[in-house]
Amino acid sequence: QKEVEQNSGPLSVPEGAIASLNCTYSDRGSQSFFWYRQYSGKSPELIMSIYSNGDKEDGRFTAQLNKASQYVSLLIRDSQPSDSATYLCAVQYNFNKFYFGSGTKLNVKP
Amino acid sequence: DAGVTQSPTHLIKTRGQQVTLRCSPKSGHDTVSWYQQALGQGPQFIFQYYEEEERQRGNFPDRFSGHQFPNYSSELNVNALLLGDSALYLCASSRGRSSYNSPLHFGNGTRLTVT
Repeated sequence: QKEVEQNSGPLSVPEGAIASLNCTYSDRGSQSFFWYRQYSGKSPELIMSIYSNGDKEDGRFTAQLNKASQYVSLLIRDSQPSDSATYLCAVQYNFNKFYFGSGTKLNVKP
Repeated sequence: DAGVTQSPTHLIKTRGQQVTLRCSPKSGHDTVSWYQQALGQGPQFIFQYYEEEERQRGNFPDRFSGHQFPNYSSELNVNALLLGDSALYLCASSRGRSSYNSPLHFGNGTRLTVT
């Protein structure tokens, strides 16, 4: 069984701060990594993808990948109350087979 | 550009009954995967359909079955419902089976409650 681990939280940050979300995975053969945001009662929404080591920035979001350490992270700069949601880390192990972590709940306090 | 659509939105069933959930993939996508998400958990992979065949399966019993039609839409069937089958059922589509860079796109899900 491929493992994807996330701290369940909740992670509380004040509005305007940087939120840092972390994810580790067990299979070194994993190739692609994704972050999904899920609001309560809604379906997951893709916010970032990363395929190679290093950083990838998209607006207020930065994904970081370190394959040697089997570690993926998501930074959210200038956090807003609307960012309050559960963030799911997904690892693509096999063609079109994805494993998800249980998610980290983020609370951004006004 | 139509996204992934699922129906129905909500369902209430009784233990022992059978249920069918439906999904139409995002335009241009040919692969459909089904996930079960219990409250407070991440999505758990049920199975994946491509070219009208089940290609991969997660750790779910045979009570869970599916189908993919020539237009790429898909159905998930669950027989002999148990209370533990109560969950959000998510359909996700993607493009092709041979690419690592095709993320999943999710529908809005079907909330199944078994009483």
